[in-house]
Amino acid sequence: AQSVAQPEDQVNVAEGNPLTVKCTYSVSGNPYLFWYVQYPNRGLQFLLKYITGDNLVKGSYGFEAEFNKSQTSFHLKKPSALVSDSALYFCAVRDGNNRLAFGKGNQVVVIP
Amino acid sequence: KAGVTQTPRYLIKTRGQQVTLSCSPISGHRSVSWYQQTPGQGLQFLFEYFSETQRNKGNFPGRFSGRQFSNSRSEMNVSTLELGDSALYLCASSLGSGSGHEQYFGPGTRLTVT
Repeated sequence: AQSVAQPEDQVNVAEGNPLTVKCTYSVSGNPYLFWYVQYPNRGLQFLLKYITGDNLVKGSYGFEAEFNKSQTSFHLKKPSALVSDSALYFCAVRDGNNRLAFGKGNQVVVIP
Repeated sequence: KAGVTQTPRYLIKTRGQQVTLSCSPISGHRSVSWYQQTPGQGLQFLFEYFSETQRNKGNFPGRFSGRQFSNSRSEMNVSTLELGDSALYLCASSLGSGSGHEQYFGPGTRLTVT
């Protein structure tokens, strides 16, 4: 069965500094990987996805993610964090049976 | 284009009752999925519907059921509510049922079981 690990509970970063949120996955077959963000009392918002092709994927709000097949990782990055990026971030993997498995989420706190 | 809408937004029920939650997908989206979100278990997949057919089901008891209508709107039902069913229930829609399609989430229904 597919699974996703987000090893850190919380990521603290100063405003203007680079932001990285880590994700590793386990899936049989080709991975379909997604990042979502959740603001308080809101649903999840789609940020970006990796299906195939270029290992560096660009998404919404200046976020990007790097797919690394050998390390089975899909880390989310942003070159310069904003206070408004403070939210809960979820990595998800979808296998060939269409079931979507989410990681436990990472709380990102951007310090002004 | 309007996003995914869910009704009601908040619900309080007592143990043993049943509840029906509703989801209207983005116009043109034919796939609807449901998730349960709790602080302890995180986001867990309930089921997915496409063209009125259940395509996939998560590991939840039979008390959890769903359906999809011809206009792609979906409902989920939980019977014989338990305290542990208290959660945020999220509905998501996507254009198709393929693995590469991203899902768009509604704001959720907050269910509290007392």
